[in-house]
Amino acid sequence: NAGVTQTPKFRILKIGQSMTLQCTQDMNHNYMYWYRQDPGMGLKLIYYSVGAGITDKGEVPNGYNVSRSTTEDFPLRLELAAPSQTSVYFCASSYFRLNQPQHFGDGTRLSIL
Amino acid sequence: KNEVEQSPQNLTAQEGEFITINCSYSVGISALHWLQQHPGGGIVSLFMLSSGKKKHGRLIATINIQEKHSSLHITASHPRDSAVYICAVRVSPGAGGSEKLVFGKGTKLTVNP
Repeated sequence: NAGVTQTPKFRILKIGQSMTLQCTQDMNHNYMYWYRQDPGMGLKLIYYSVGAGITDKGEVPNGYNVSRSTTEDFPLRLELAAPSQTSVYFCASSYFRLNQPQHFGDGTRLSIL
Repeated sequence: KNEVEQSPQNLTAQEGEFITINCSYSVGISALHWLQQHPGGGIVSLFMLSSGKKKHGRLIATINIQEKHSSLHITASHPRDSAVYICAVRVSPGAGGSEKLVFGKGTKLTVNP
């Protein structure tokens, strides 16, 4: 019973590098979300998706891109990594948008140096 | 002023004590979530409630919509309850907007044996 799986768990990038954070869920959930958690701050929504082929911006989308080609997968792309993107990233999913609890992955700790 | 305020920020208790964590919010909401973030970083949804009270094992969540306040109680606390507890509110949409989740900064609970 995998739930929401994120890879990698840790990554160090140099400024200007690019990378993709992977997220997959096996619960057939329609909605998927990407959050970032900065020290001492609440989770902030980066992007979300209501189903395959449909994505929308959250509160802090700048510097990120997403795609949703299948129900299961929702990768987050950083094109030109910047120190301000050092954070812990969480992927989550739910069957309906906000009136059901979200299931979270274990997070990806990303450092940009 | 943050839309969601949690208190206290940090809480240390002895095993067996009754714990209360508070969440106050300043906006109209349609539901409130309590989540638990384990020391390893993973996030689990504990409760979602829009009125009254919910109980699961030793955990009790209450909400007072009129006073814009929710509490999370832990009875007979145990060291394994040590975690960060996060309150999140589902904010009702404004004109032209959509619902969103706003997260508190979390309360770090440490239960000593």
